[in-house]
Order: sequence, then structure tokens, then C-alpha cells
Amino acid sequence: NAGVTQTPKFQVLKTGQSMTLQCAQDMNHEYMSWYRQDPGMGLRLIHYSVGAGITDQGEVPNGYNVSRSTTEDFPLRLLSAAPSQTSVYFCASSYRGTNEKLFFGSGTQLSVL
Amino acid sequence: GENVEQHPSTLSVQEGDSAVIKCTYSDSASNYFPWYKQELGKRPQLIIDIRSNVGEKKDQRIAVTLNKTAKHFSLHITETQPEDSAVYFCAASFNNFNKFYFGSGTKLNVKP
Repeated sequence: NAGVTQTPKFQVLKTGQSMTLQCAQDMNHEYMSWYRQDPGMGLRLIHYSVGAGITDQGEVPNGYNVSRSTTEDFPLRLLSAAPSQTSVYFCASSYRGTNEKLFFGSGTQLSVL
Repeated sequence: GENVEQHPSTLSVQEGDSAVIKCTYSDSASNYFPWYKQELGKRPQLIIDIRSNVGEKKDQRIAVTLNKTAKHFSLHITETQPEDSAVYFCAASFNNFNKFYFGSGTKLNVKP
């Protein structure tokens, strides 16, 4: 049981490039989410999903896309990277929703030059 | 949406002392309040949580209190140890929101 697996751990992009951050969980969790962590600002929700085929926006969705074609996977796409998207990104999941423990991935440190 | 404020942003205590971190929330519908600990370079991990039908919960040296009327909740760590040094985040949620709202974090430094 690997839990929540995130790749890559580190990534450097140039402004305007696109990329996908991968997230997978093997705990049969319905709820999955993406956060960004910036110094002094805590964790801010980007997008979330309550099940396969269902996604919705969080607090800071602009510049990001998500899809949930399977229960296990929830990739985050940066469409055209900007320096303001330099951050640490965490994927997190829970069994059913937000009244339960969140399991976090190990994070992706992204730098946009 | 919900707004969670957390204080202080940094806290330095001597080993063996107690540490208290406070959070306030704005939406009275919130009913689940977890606390996460994040060690340097690691992922956040749940250390304790409380639901709105409970006023206090304790787990060994860690306790959380909730005042629904005042809309604030606090994390109490007693007999602090150097391994308690980390960033602590509070959060609030209501299941129908499908969103967690996190505080900005408290960096706790426990001096040996």
C-alpha cells in the first residue's frame, strides 16, 4: 500500500511551458485534491474531485486544469507556466470527503523561470 | 467562503514548556477541525482533529479545544520536545463544501 504517490519531486520550467504533475492513490479514496504551498500562506486549494468524472475549482484555480478519469489518478496540468506558479504542490486524498483525515503526497517543488 | 486565521506565525519555547497555537474561523457551518504537522521538507500529517459536537480532545501530550460560540479552536502541546519542532497548520471544513480551508501555519521551535 503506497498511499499517495506524486511525481516528479522537482521540476524547473521556463515561462510559457506546460507540464503535468501526476498524483495516484491506491487506497480507493473518493476525494482527491491539489494544494499549493507558499511561504506564509498555508495550503491553498487549487482543484478537487469527489469521484471519477467529477471535478471542481478551489480557491486558486486559474492557470491549472484537472481531470479524474479513474478513481486512482488525479493529474494537475499547468497550461502555460508563469513565475507566479513557483510553489510546492501537494496532492491529497481522503476516503469520502472533507470531514476525514487527508493523506498527502510527498510534494512537488516547481520553479518557473 | 471560509476564512481561517492562525496565530502566532512563529513560536519559540524551551524544552519541557507548553505551546499553544490558536485559530479562528468565520463560517459557523464548519464542523470539522483538524491539525496537521509538517516537518521540514516533509508532507503534512494529521496529528489530531475535533468535530463540532465535542469541546475538547486529548491524545497524550497533544490536546485540542473548540469554542463554537466564539468560533475558535486551539492546539495545546505539553512537555514539548525537540522533535515537536515543525510547522503546524489548523484547518476547518464542512463536508458539503468539499473544501478544507487551512490557516497560514505556525513555526514551532523547541529549544533543547
